[in-house]
Amino acid sequence: GAGVSQSPSNKVTEKGKDVELRCDPISGHTALYWYRQSLGQGLEFLIYFQGNSAPDKSGLPSDRFSAERTGGSVSTLTIQRTQQEDSAVYLCASSLLTGPFTYEQYFGPGTRLTVT
Amino acid sequence: KQEVTQIPAALSVPEGENLVLNCSFTDSAIYNLQWFRQDPGKGLTSLLLIQSSQREQTSGRLNASLDKSSGRSTLYIAASQPGDSATYLCAVMEYGNKLVFGAGTILRVKS
Repeated sequence: GAGVSQSPSNKVTEKGKDVELRCDPISGHTALYWYRQSLGQGLEFLIYFQGNSAPDKSGLPSDRFSAERTGGSVSTLTIQRTQQEDSAVYLCASSLLTGPFTYEQYFGPGTRLTVT
Repeated sequence: KQEVTQIPAALSVPEGENLVLNCSFTDSAIYNLQWFRQDPGKGLTSLLLIQSSQREQTSGRLNASLDKSSGRSTLYIAASQPGDSATYLCAVMEYGNKLVFGAGTILRVKS
């Protein structure tokens, strides 16, 4: 079946502009996660959705970052007033929360964001 | 705060060699541990997941072990091939379902 998809694959934006990154999880996966991979920080957790609610937003680096999930499926990560330090690869993952391999996360290909 | 360390940071081996990648974590209160592979410019591919109650998992030439009490995991790759060249990431799942990642081991298998 189809895996996790993300769009766009690459995004170049000017400092100060807003950007939206999209994630389509695997069909039927109730949990959705956003991570960021940057040269200086490695892979770090941003936010987790269970259905449409976000029990854990602890990883969002500032109030310029927000995310939503609608219909228990697609999620959008929005970065307002982008800064150069926001440049990174943004990865989305999804998982089931039941079954023998509980909590295994499957990752999308990522969106490479470059802020100039 | 959970910290995950992977050793070595980079490894270069000739084709056919068996090898071991190491992962250690500071807080043993984990739900599971997952090993991933990442190819340049690509996302993460899940290789093996070990639940906290398990000791090891095997898939083909890969075997991963978990010693939760000592905070250690190893990934064993048998008969390495050039196609195994990639970055290998270890991650532990904490309460709240978030993964905490190590910095990775860059593996190069020479033909």
